[in-house]
Amino acid sequence: KAGVTQTPRYLIKTRGQQVTLSCSPISGHRSVSWYQQTPGQGLQFLFEYFSETQRNKGNFPGRFSGRQFSNSRSEMNVSTLELGDSALYLCASSLLAGGPTLQETQYFGPGTRLLVL
Amino acid sequence: TQLLEQSPQFLSIQEGENLTVYCNSSSVFSSLQWYRQEPGEGPVLLVTVVTGGEVKKLKRLTFQFGDARKDSSLHITAAQPGDTGLYLCAGPGNDYKLSFGAGTTVTVRA
Repeated sequence: KAGVTQTPRYLIKTRGQQVTLSCSPISGHRSVSWYQQTPGQGLQFLFEYFSETQRNKGNFPGRFSGRQFSNSRSEMNVSTLELGDSALYLCASSLLAGGPTLQETQYFGPGTRLLVL
Repeated sequence: TQLLEQSPQFLSIQEGENLTVYCNSSSVFSSLQWYRQEPGEGPVLLVTVVTGGEVKKLKRLTFQFGDARKDSSLHITAAQPGDTGLYLCAGPGNDYKLSFGAGTTVTVRA
């Protein structure tokens, strides 16, 4: 079974531009979560989508948005890029949505490394 | 927000030595997970601990969940270069969001 795939793997943008990242979950998985990883802040939750609905959202500005399609593939968009948006963006998929206990295993993709100049 | 603190931040040891990594919080977690992340890859789940006092073993790795479910440890026996990576603990908050610790970077020298 193929794992979680993310495209592109690397991206260089300049301040003020916008970017769209793509994530294809493991076949059959309906939940997709996005995380931002930086050396200073570590791994931070961005949002989770389940059956095309945003189920949860982290503490990020409105410049960060996402969506999920009927085939469970997900995209995240960052508008008006800032230097501080440089990070590794990770996508994770699971069969079901997250809950108060870790009953569902999340499988992470390799990430998209975004550099904002 | 429930915070997870990991220590130490960095750990460099010789092959064959033992090491322990800690994950602590002032909050109670229903469960905790440990991940290992290698350069250029996403985190890979190693284990989920659910019951206070639980001990789980995965080959040379031993995971323990504190009795009060506020802390956890990961012990590696006879470390090998293949154990090198960033070790992350994570726990679910009441808002269902998964919180990660900052991680411990482990380097095992051959």
